[in-house]
Amino acid sequence: GESVGLHLPTLSVQEGDNSIINCAYSNSASDYFIWYKQESGKGPQFIIDIRSNMDKRQGQRVTVLLNKTVKHLSLQIAATQPGDSAVYFCAENLRGSNYKLTFGKGTLLTVNP
Amino acid sequence: DAMVIQNPRYQVTQFGKPVTLSCSQTLNHNVMYWYQQKSSQAPKLLFHYYDKDFNNEADTPDNFQSRRPNTSFCFLDIRSPGLGDAAMYLCATSRDVTVGLGTFGSGTRLTVV
Repeated sequence: GESVGLHLPTLSVQEGDNSIINCAYSNSASDYFIWYKQESGKGPQFIIDIRSNMDKRQGQRVTVLLNKTVKHLSLQIAATQPGDSAVYFCAENLRGSNYKLTFGKGTLLTVNP
Repeated sequence: DAMVIQNPRYQVTQFGKPVTLSCSQTLNHNVMYWYQQKSSQAPKLLFHYYDKDFNNEADTPDNFQSRRPNTSFCFLDIRSPGLGDAAMYLCATSRDVTVGLGTFGSGTRLTVV
């Protein structure tokens, strides 16, 4: 069955370091991936997305890498700040399943000052 | 500002007593979603509306119903809440197929006593 999972449930980094959050997916029919940030008591916030015809996409301080060979997705946050502390979810959209996202389990990122 | 608003932020209901959660949007988006998010878990899609078309997920219990009287409003009705239904309920919207660029509300945290 389809599944989206994360390798590490928690990640603790020092302020200013780079953070890498990983995600594995199992369904090769997934063609669209999104990273969300969820702060305590709030709804998920879109960070960055990537389509399966790409292997890298950059935003402001964030980069998403997609390795379709091993079905792996990562989110890189440069110069991590205390405000980046949150739970990060990857989510996938299966080709043909319009409007539906399947979320992974989430990684709690803690940034130490 | 355009946004997705969920009311109330916190809802306490009695076991078996029907409860309704509400969501409104000023984005004029076609699609509205309801997700259930239990503690330390990923959001799980319950159902979505594309305009007036209702799309239920196969594993959503019958206890959960939804109404969308117009573009702006969508309701989640839990007919007989059980203790296992205690969770954060998230409403989200998106325009057509740009599901990843959808906007989430801040959620309603439901407690069942």
